[in-house]
Amino acid sequence: GEDVEQSLFLSVREGDSSVINCTYTDSSSTYLYWYKQEPGAGLQLLTYIFSNMDMKQDQRLTVLLNKKDKHLSLRIADTQTGDSAIYFCAESSYSSASKIIFGSGTRLSIRP
Amino acid sequence: DVKVTQSSRYLVKRTGEKVFLECVQDMDHENMFWYRQDPGLGLRLIYFSYDVKMKEKGDIPEGYSVSREKKERFSLILESASTNQTSMYLCASLTKNTEAFFGQGTRLTVV
Repeated sequence: GEDVEQSLFLSVREGDSSVINCTYTDSSSTYLYWYKQEPGAGLQLLTYIFSNMDMKQDQRLTVLLNKKDKHLSLRIADTQTGDSAIYFCAESSYSSASKIIFGSGTRLSIRP
Repeated sequence: DVKVTQSSRYLVKRTGEKVFLECVQDMDHENMFWYRQDPGLGLRLIYFSYDVKMKEKGDIPEGYSVSREKKERFSLILESASTNQTSMYLCASLTKNTEAFFGQGTRLTVV
């Protein structure tokens, strides 16, 4: 079945860039998503990219998609303490009946 | 703004109790989902529904059932709660272009 993988932890210094990586297996993925979850909260959609795009930028966030390698990344520029959270990569496709498949989440911690 | 509302933020139930988790969305979405979230395992799909009275099993349906009597409401039922069902439960509603909106989650503890 479809699978989404990401590393569990990332630690960066405040002000540096964070890069969170994700790989997926479904070659028919339609949308790829990044969700953010702050402590005690539900998931908040940060950004998403359609599968025919290579890059999407939104203020401090840059999403890169390498469809050939099935690799997705999220870059957060000038990382702040408020960026501490768990970041989930996810993918959906019409072939998977519109289900959204999630990775295990990457916990981003910011050090001063 | 799409609102997905889960009826409880925190629940504590005893082993063997029947538990109902309620989810309501206000944007007339057809697709609704129940996930459970456990540390290191991400979100795992329990059940989903495409329309009223329609349901499909997800990846981990054992021990759960669902009800979708009205389009806006999708209920998750634990027929006989067990301690291994202690978890965070998340409801989601999906637009036609597969963008998902999530509720705040219900943290269920079974003692």
